[in-house]
Amino acid sequence: DAKTTQPTSMDCAEGRAANLPCNHSTISGNEYVYWYRQIHSQGPQYIIHGLKNNETNEMASLIITEDRKSSTLILPHATLRDTAVYYCIVRAQDDKIIFGKGTRLHILP
Amino acid sequence: ETGVTQTPRHLVMGMTNKKSLKCEQHLGHNAMYWYKQSAKKPLELMFVYNFKEQTENNSVPSRFSPECPNSSHLFLHLHTLQPEDSALYLCASSQNRGGGTDTQYFGPGTRLTVL
Repeated sequence: DAKTTQPTSMDCAEGRAANLPCNHSTISGNEYVYWYRQIHSQGPQYIIHGLKNNETNEMASLIITEDRKSSTLILPHATLRDTAVYYCIVRAQDDKIIFGKGTRLHILP
Repeated sequence: ETGVTQTPRHLVMGMTNKKSLKCEQHLGHNAMYWYKQSAKKPLELMFVYNFKEQTENNSVPSRFSPECPNSSHLFLHLHTLQPEDSALYLCASSQNRGGGTDTQYFGPGTRLTVL
């Protein structure tokens, strides 16, 4: 079973920041938070991951709360090509990746 | 472009056919994976290979037979499949299974239809 809870769907206006929440209240100390996305009929794309500290890369920022029970993925300037299903995954280093249902993000023109 | 390629991208086969799916990674990784994604279901891990050795088989029926001749190539041999095996088959690779944060990078998938 997925260890995370995400909203089923979200809308975001093009050019605005998209903030995707994820709850992982049972996360263990050695578990990382990973984010992937899957554009229709394509393979999942790795976005970012983190353990405790906030992380940023060329695609997105990951904000993890101090108690690590929730996190937010931020796409700073959403484009139509960011329309996808976004998966928040909690896993230890050698654990399987277990994909839940994710959040279907619609970017609106 | 993730550095993981899969061929063919689409495949239609009858239940009596034998076919193979191919995956190649250009990332210098040592671990490779096969996943199955059926319509409206989450991804299911099928097989894991680490340094060419199979380390996981998640109760996959024997009509699916993986082969890993080297760390860069992974095959999935298919025979006597059923219509319910129709799905998107995804290959992934990671640096090592057993070290580091093991981020997996996925290929584009093969869309398989069994008639």
